[in-house]
Amino acid sequence: AQSVTQLDSQVPVFEEAPVELRCNYSSSVSVYLFWYVQYPNQGLQLLLKYLSGSTLVESINGFEAEFNKSQTSFHLRKPSVHISDTAEYFCAVSRISGNTPLVFGKGTRLSVIA
Amino acid sequence: KAGVTQTPRYLIKTRGQQVTLSCSPISGHRSVSWYQQTPGQGLQFLFEYFSETQRNKGNFPGRFSGRQFSNSRSEMNVSTLELGDSALYLCASSLGQGPQETQYFGPGTRLLVL
Repeated sequence: AQSVTQLDSQVPVFEEAPVELRCNYSSSVSVYLFWYVQYPNQGLQLLLKYLSGSTLVESINGFEAEFNKSQTSFHLRKPSVHISDTAEYFCAVSRISGNTPLVFGKGTRLSVIA
Repeated sequence: KAGVTQTPRYLIKTRGQQVTLSCSPISGHRSVSWYQQTPGQGLQFLFEYFSETQRNKGNFPGRFSGRQFSNSRSEMNVSTLELGDSALYLCASSLGQGPQETQYFGPGTRLLVL
């Protein structure tokens, strides 16, 4: 079975500062990796995903994540955050083969302070 | 395209009652998944339907059930409600059934059981 650990439940950061949200996963088989974001009173939206190829994936709003197979990590980073990035961020994994659902981490609440 | 819609958005019930939640996926999407989100447990997978067939089921008691109609709309039902069923119930749809598919989430139905 797969599992996801998001090491920080809350991350406060000043506006325009860099941020890293950490995600580690556990799986005996190859997986796809995802980051979803949930803004207040909304459902989740896909931020970015790693399926194959380059281990560095980017989103349209400046976030990036790097798949590190040896460390089983998929940390999310942004060099300069905005107030609008305040949200909860979820890391998720799914098995490449087989018919299994997404497994989510518990989430990291990012609070950007003006 | 319209996004995933869920009705009702808010619901208050008492213990022992039953409830039915509805989800309309994005047009053309044939896969619908349901999740329960609580502060303590995070996002937990309930079940997934594809073309009216349940493909996956999470580790929830039999009081939780669901179905999918020929137009891909889905409903979930919770019978004999317990206080611990209070949660945000999220529905997500995807175009296909592969693990690499992006899931598009609705805003959720917030259920409060008194």
